[in-house]
Amino acid sequence: EVQLVESGGGLVQPGGSLRLSCAASGFSFSSYPMNWVRLAPGKGLEWVSYISTTSSTIYYSDSVKGRFTISRDNAKNSLYLQMNSLRDVDTALYYCARDTSFDPWGQGTLVTVSS
Amino acid sequence: QAVLTQPSSLSASPGASASLTCTLRSGINVGTYRIYWYQQRPGSPPQYLLRYKSDSDKQQGSGVPSRFSGSKDASANAGILLISGLQSEDEADYYCMIWHSSAVVFGGGTKLTVL
Repeated sequence: EVQLVESGGGLVQPGGSLRLSCAASGFSFSSYPMNWVRLAPGKGLEWVSYISTTSSTIYYSDSVKGRFTISRDNAKNSLYLQMNSLRDVDTALYYCARDTSFDPWGQGTLVTVSS
Repeated sequence: QAVLTQPSSLSASPGASASLTCTLRSGINVGTYRIYWYQQRPGSPPQYLLRYKSDSDKQQGSGVPSRFSGSKDASANAGILLISGLQSEDEADYYCMIWHSSAVVFGGGTKLTVL
């Protein structure tokens, strides 16, 4: 069974940092590009970042560029999102999703930025 | 003007059909894009439904019923998700998505109510 499990969310003060992880299982992780997407309270889905299979191609949304860093470890079947200089507007449920079709999605990990 | 515009809400009766639209911003030609559609039920992660570019370039998500289908209205510069034989379980938020200029764009989502 294909499975994506996010972790690492929590409560952090504005200006702080968090590192999210996404553990993949049930498929050949190294063969698929991956994405991070977030869902803020009362808002719609917002794409955050994309990484290719070998990490050679990386894209970010304008809202996180320069603050967030996506990475992956194919040996560990894991995807990461390092989030620095967090703002209250970054409060959201963060999902990882497989492939350019975003199929499937994990259950998400909640990030709350508040003082 | 947003890249992708979806009506915020739509209501339809059980057994009826619902047509959800995703209008591309003027200057972005719907004919050149694959339109992806996702369903998100309350408390659950988004689920990939299908993608549609043309009748010869389309894909149904794994396990997604055939009563979910995609199309385009070139005159309106819009992608369409048609749900036939509406069921109570179809009540959810629906998002369209495109890949545009090395980034991913989601529409604002349509809340479908089945009553």
